[in-house]
Amino acid sequence: NAGVTQTPKFRVLKTGQSMTLLCAQDMNHEYMYWYRQDPGMGLRLIHYSVGEGTTAKGEVPDGYNVSRLKKQNFLLGLESAAPSQTSVYFCASSYSSYRDPNQPQHFGDGTRLSIL
Amino acid sequence: GQNIDQPTEMTATEGAIVQINCTYQTSGFNGLFWYQQHAGEAPTFLSYNVLDGLEEKGRFSSFLSRSKGYSYLLLKELQMKDSASYLCAVREVTGGGNKLTFGTGTQLKVEL
Repeated sequence: NAGVTQTPKFRVLKTGQSMTLLCAQDMNHEYMYWYRQDPGMGLRLIHYSVGEGTTAKGEVPDGYNVSRLKKQNFLLGLESAAPSQTSVYFCASSYSSYRDPNQPQHFGDGTRLSIL
Repeated sequence: GQNIDQPTEMTATEGAIVQINCTYQTSGFNGLFWYQQHAGEAPTFLSYNVLDGLEEKGRFSSFLSRSKGYSYLLLKELQMKDSASYLCAVREVTGGGNKLTFGTGTQLKVEL
C-alpha cells in the first residue's frame, strides 16, 4: 500500500526554469492538496482539488499552477521558477467531507526543491 | 481567516509527561487535528477533536475546548523517538475541500 507518492524527491533548478511535481495516491481519495513548508512558516496551502477536473486556490497560489486530469494524480507546476520558491513541497489527500469528515489528510514524503 | 498559536520549542525528559498547547481563532470551527513530523519526513496524523473533551490514543491524548479556542496534546511516558515537531491544524466550516490551516509547529526535544 503506497499511500501518497511524490516525484521527484529532490531537484535543483535555475531561476526561470520550469518543472512539474507529480503526486499520486492509491487510496481513492476525492480531495488532494499541495503545500509548501518553510522554516518558521509552517505548512501553507498552495492549491487544492475536490475532484477530477477541478482545482482551487489556497493561501499562496501565485507562481504555481495545478491540474487534476485523473482522480489519483495531482500535478503542481512552476512555470518560471524563482528563488523564493525554494521550499519543501508536500502533497496530501483525503476523503471528501461527504464521505467521512473525520478522516485526516495523508501526506507524501515531500519534494525538496532548490532554486538558484 | 485563522490565527493559530503554539510554542516554538519544548524540552522534556524521557519517561515524563509533556503537554503541548494550541490556541486558535476562527470564524467557523469544524475540527482540530494534531500531526507529528520527524525531521525530513512527512507529517503523520495523531489525533482529531471536533467536540469538547479528551480523546485518548495510547500514550497520546488530545483535549479540546471550543469556547476557549484551545487544545492540547498530551504525551505520556516520553520516549526518545517522540522528539519531533508537533503540528496543530484547524479546519473551518466555510470554503469546502476539508482545508486545514496549520500552526508553525512545536519542536519537542526529549532528553535522557
